[in-house]
Amino acid sequence: AIRMTQSPSSLSASTGDRVTITCRASQGISSYLAWYQQKPGKAPKLLIYAASTLQSGVPSRFSGSGSGTDFTLTISCLQSEDFATYYCQQYYSTWTFGQGTKVEIK
Amino acid sequence: EVQLLESGGGLVQPGGSLRLSCAASGFTFSSYAMSWVRQAPGKGLEWVSAISGSGGSTYYADSVKGRFTISRDNSKNTLYLQMNSLRAEDTAVYYCAKSCSSTSCYTGENWFDPWGQGTLVTVSS
Repeated sequence: AIRMTQSPSSLSASTGDRVTITCRASQGISSYLAWYQQKPGKAPKLLIYAASTLQSGVPSRFSGSGSGTDFTLTISCLQSEDFATYYCQQYYSTWTFGQGTKVEIK
Repeated sequence: EVQLLESGGGLVQPGGSLRLSCAASGFTFSSYAMSWVRQAPGKGLEWVSAISGSGGSTYYADSVKGRFTISRDNSKNTLYLQMNSLRAEDTAVYYCAKSCSSTSCYTGENWFDPWGQGTLVTVSS
């Protein structure tokens, strides 16, 4: 099974900061990668698919990049509503999620 | 608007069974693959099972293979997860999620969107 490793597991940031989360696959997955945002008590929400394509309705401050084994999610200017946990997911071979990155208020 | 509504969760003893349902609306249900994903309390997301739009193909995580069965009734726009031989480690919120269409599956567009609100399964004596 393909393993997905996110880093960091958590981070503290302030509103307006630029935040970058990385996700590494245990084998090449081309661009078959999605990013989700989850807030406490809520279902995950799709942010990005195909590694870099923004889902409709998602603010442009979110962006994704990478291919193969290394991927990044960037929030260019952190807003209060962005404090949440973020998960990467590969869908190259069945499905596997990273362990999550919790973005907390500094 | 696409809506997914899970039901059927609850408290069950170890070794027991439970059937979850996911009622879908707002899209042509039979044209889309569907998945179940779970999240143990305070933990991350774990894909559990998936089924093609026709129901002819099913997939399972190793952790549930042989114990869980995914199915769907396209006439009722409903997805199911039959869970048998439940263990304490199956305790989680279970989400259903819409995946790829009968055409987009072939191009690998297998992300999940949207997700239901989830139903809690607690396995405890």
